Amino acid sequence: AQSVTQLDSQVPVFEEAPVELRCNYSSSVSVYLFWYVQYPNQGLQLLLKYLSGSTLVKGINGFEAEFNKSQTSFHLRKPSVHISDTAEYFCAVSDWFPGNTGKLIFGQGTTLQVKP
Amino acid sequence: GAGVSQSPSNKVTEKGKDVELRCDPISGHTALYWYRQSLGQGLEFLIYFQGNSAPDKSGLPSDRFSAERTGGSVSTLTIQRTQQEDSAVYLCASSLGSPGRGNTIYFGEGSWLTVV
Repeated sequence: AQSVTQLDSQVPVFEEAPVELRCNYSSSVSVYLFWYVQYPNQGLQLLLKYLSGSTLVKGINGFEAEFNKSQTSFHLRKPSVHISDTAEYFCAVSDWFPGNTGKLIFGQGTTLQVKP
Repeated sequence: GAGVSQSPSNKVTEKGKDVELRCDPISGHTALYWYRQSLGQGLEFLIYFQGNSAPDKSGLPSDRFSAERTGGSVSTLTIQRTQQEDSAVYLCASSLGSPGRGNTIYFGEGSWLTVV
């Protein structure tokens, strides 16, 4: 069964600094990978997703993530963060093969705290 | 509608009472999901409906939890004999098809349940 591990529960960073939020997954088959963001008091919205093709995926708000099959990772990065990036970030995985529903499984979340 | 709609947005109930939470998915979306978000617990998968297929109920935590989806659209999540540990935000989401095929899932704002 697939699972997702987000290695950091909280990541404090100063404004304009780079940031990396780590995500590792386990799955026995090909996977699709997602990052969602949840701003304070709001619902979840999709940041980016990896389906196939280029391993570097670009998303909204200047975020990008790199799929690394050998390391089973999908880390999220941004070269320069803003105060407005303060939010909870969730990594998620879905795998599909005949007989599997392909439901989305989420990690525990990482709180990004951007300080001035 | 334009997005996934959930009601009520907030519900306070007494321990032992039953509650019903409603979800209106995005029009035309065949897949519908329920997740539970508790403090420090991340997003916990509860149940997944896809078209006319049998629902994936593998995430329901106990037999006090049940969900149905009528007419392939609106879904109701029912929690019987509520316990304090049921207090959480219950999130509904929908997608055009299975996330296992790379479809993006869209989340509602959630129903915040407090059991006192």
